[in-house]
Amino acid sequence: QVQLQESGPGLVKPSETLSLTCTVSGVSISDNISWNWIRQPPGKGLEWIGYIFHSGSFRYYPPLKSRVTMSVDTSKSQFTLNLRSVTAADTAVYYCARWRDTINAFEVWGQGTMVTVSS
Amino acid sequence: EIVLTQSPGTLSLSPGERATLSCRASQSVSSSDLTWYQQKPGQAPRLLIYGASNRATGIPDRFSGSGSGTDFTLTINRLEPEDFAVYYCQQYGSPPLTFGGGTKVEI
Repeated sequence: QVQLQESGPGLVKPSETLSLTCTVSGVSISDNISWNWIRQPPGKGLEWIGYIFHSGSFRYYPPLKSRVTMSVDTSKSQFTLNLRSVTAADTAVYYCARWRDTINAFEVWGQGTMVTVSS
Repeated sequence: EIVLTQSPGTLSLSPGERATLSCRASQSVSSSDLTWYQQKPGQAPRLLIYGASNRATGIPDRFSGSGSGTDFTLTINRLEPEDFAVYYCQQYGSPPLTFGGGTKVEI
């Protein structure tokens, strides 16, 4: 059974870097599928942030790409999100998710982690 | 970027009724690239429908999807209490991947 679990600080100060980790279990992170981050501001809809493959290839959402970096650690079966220079607008629940390209859908999601940007 | 507009924003119905949710795209989307998710309060979204009309594993047959081009529909027949939730459409035919704003189905 594939499971994803997000972890990281729940509070980040403005202008600092938000760093989250997603730990993957039940499947190899080295499978040729994309590992994604998606966020949801309180009371609002979903916003895709980007994806990364185990090979390191990636694609980020254009409005965010100047501030986003993703990476993969296959030895730990984890992938990470770094979002720089955060503001209150980055306050959201952050989800990691596994994309299944045979159906063009996010098949498995983590439970999500709430990150608040505040001083 | 393809913008997905979902309507109505909120749908107020009773158990046993039918819900019809719309997702309209700003550009044509291949049916294979249109997906629906269900999200309940405090939970992650759950995959419902992929390829516009294919139910995901374990999804009851009262859920059905249809549509093509720029107009897609999610229909829920005979609403059950557990179906009251927010529903999102999503496309990845043309990067970047985008979601609609969601439709809340409430009692």
